[in-house]
Amino acid sequence: GAVVSQHPSWVICKSGTSVKIECRSLDFQATTMFWYRQFPKQSLMLMATSNEGSKATYEQGVEKDKFLINHASLTLSTLTVTSAHPEDSSFYICSAPRVYGTDTQYFGPGTRLTVL
Amino acid sequence: LAKTTQPISMDSYEGQEVNITCSHNNIATNDYITWYQQFPSQGPRFIIQGYKTKVTNEVASLFIPADRKSSTLSLPRVSLSDTAVYYCLVGDRGRDDKIIFGKGTRLHILP
Repeated sequence: GAVVSQHPSWVICKSGTSVKIECRSLDFQATTMFWYRQFPKQSLMLMATSNEGSKATYEQGVEKDKFLINHASLTLSTLTVTSAHPEDSSFYICSAPRVYGTDTQYFGPGTRLTVL
Repeated sequence: LAKTTQPISMDSYEGQEVNITCSHNNIATNDYITWYQQFPSQGPRFIIQGYKTKVTNEVASLFIPADRKSSTLSLPRVSLSDTAVYYCLVGDRGRDDKIIFGKGTRLHILP
């Protein structure tokens, strides 16, 4: 079946540095991918919609200059957390729709970011 | 996107059937109902999707009454490994695919 991968699965960085997270669709093309953030014991919060060949669409309250999204190809979207701070520590998850026009999404395994 | 309401948490025992009900009073004509399962530190996993009446797969059943204002996810003979958070989502499959998660139901299976 279709699979979405993320890299790295976990990362620890110092405050003030930038971290890049990759999301790949392994056996299907995805013109759209989604990025979520999840804090402990909380639900997933949609951050932005990544669009291949165009700018990402950010949800209200999400700083687009801090969370840079690049959808470089039909199988790759990247999320860069710039000038990370401890409050950015979270579990970041990406997803891609398996078939356009359905609510059936494939989710990546997630990336645990810890900012010291 | 229709708002959904689920119990915050549920406990059950191994071997029991578990039913989790989701309310979605404002469901629209084109909306489908989808359930996802999430284990700690993992991404959500699709369980089942339906529009009306009953849908069954190898993992679960989904019961949707005629008015579609609620739905029930049924997990037969649960095991400890079914301990997870279950999310009910309602959305129009023909739109932009954006999914907004509610709080979900934290299911705890006891031995």
